[in-house]
Amino acid sequence: DQQVKQNSPSLSVQEGRISILNCDYTNSMFDYFLWYKKYPAEGPTFLISISSIKDKNEDGRFTVFLNKSAKHLSLHIVPSQPGDSAVYFCAAISNRGNTPLVFGKGTRLSVIA
Amino acid sequence: DTAVSQTPKYLVTQMGNDKSIKCEQNLGHDTMYWYKQDSKKFLKIMFSYNNKELIINETVPNRFSPKSPDKAHLNLHINSLELGDSAVYFCASSHPGSRGKTQYFGPGTRLLVL
Repeated sequence: DQQVKQNSPSLSVQEGRISILNCDYTNSMFDYFLWYKKYPAEGPTFLISISSIKDKNEDGRFTVFLNKSAKHLSLHIVPSQPGDSAVYFCAAISNRGNTPLVFGKGTRLSVIA
Repeated sequence: DTAVSQTPKYLVTQMGNDKSIKCEQNLGHDTMYWYKQDSKKFLKIMFSYNNKELIINETVPNRFSPKSPDKAHLNLHINSLELGDSAVYFCASSHPGSRGKTQYFGPGTRLLVL
C-alpha cells in the first residue's frame, strides 16, 4: 500500500524549460513533505521541504507547492539544467511520535541540452 | 570528510551466508537509519536508532539485526542470506531536533545474493 505515489517514472525536459514533478499522498497524518535528489551510485540528498502549514516554499530554482485538500505536491525546477538530471524522490512524514519518513518510488528527470 | 559512509560499497555473496554492512556518520547526529531499496526502486525504512536505542523497527525478518555500538555507528548484520535480500541498502542520519525529517544518506551498499 503506497502512501506516497509518484506516478510518472520518468520525465524529459529541454534545458531552460520548466520541470514539474508530481507527488500524491494518501495518509492525512502526514504534515511535512520533502524532495530528495539522487544521482546514480550515490545516496539521496535533501533538496527542499515544506510544512503543511504552508502551500509554497521556494529555494532558488526549486519551488515546492502543496495542495493539502488534494493531497498533492509538486516540485518545479526552473530553468532546468542538465545537472538536474537525476531521480527525484518525494517523501512525507508525520510530526506525531517516532514515525518513519515514507518515500515515493521516484521520478527520473532527464534534462536535454 | 565524508559525512555518512558505508562499507562495503558492493557485496556479492552466496545464499545462506551471514554478512555485515557498516555505517558511520561524522555529523554529530543522534539518530541513524537503515533503508532498503529493492528492485522496484522503493526506498523503505528498516530500522531507526536514537542514541543507540532502537526506536523504529519496521516489519523486517529477524535475520536482520542492527547494532549500534555508539551513536556514530549503526551496523547491519544479516544472517542466512536469501535471494530476496538482494537490494541496495542505505544508511542515513538526522540531527537532533529534526525529528527525522531531513536525513543525510550514505552512498549505499549494493548487495547481490547468488
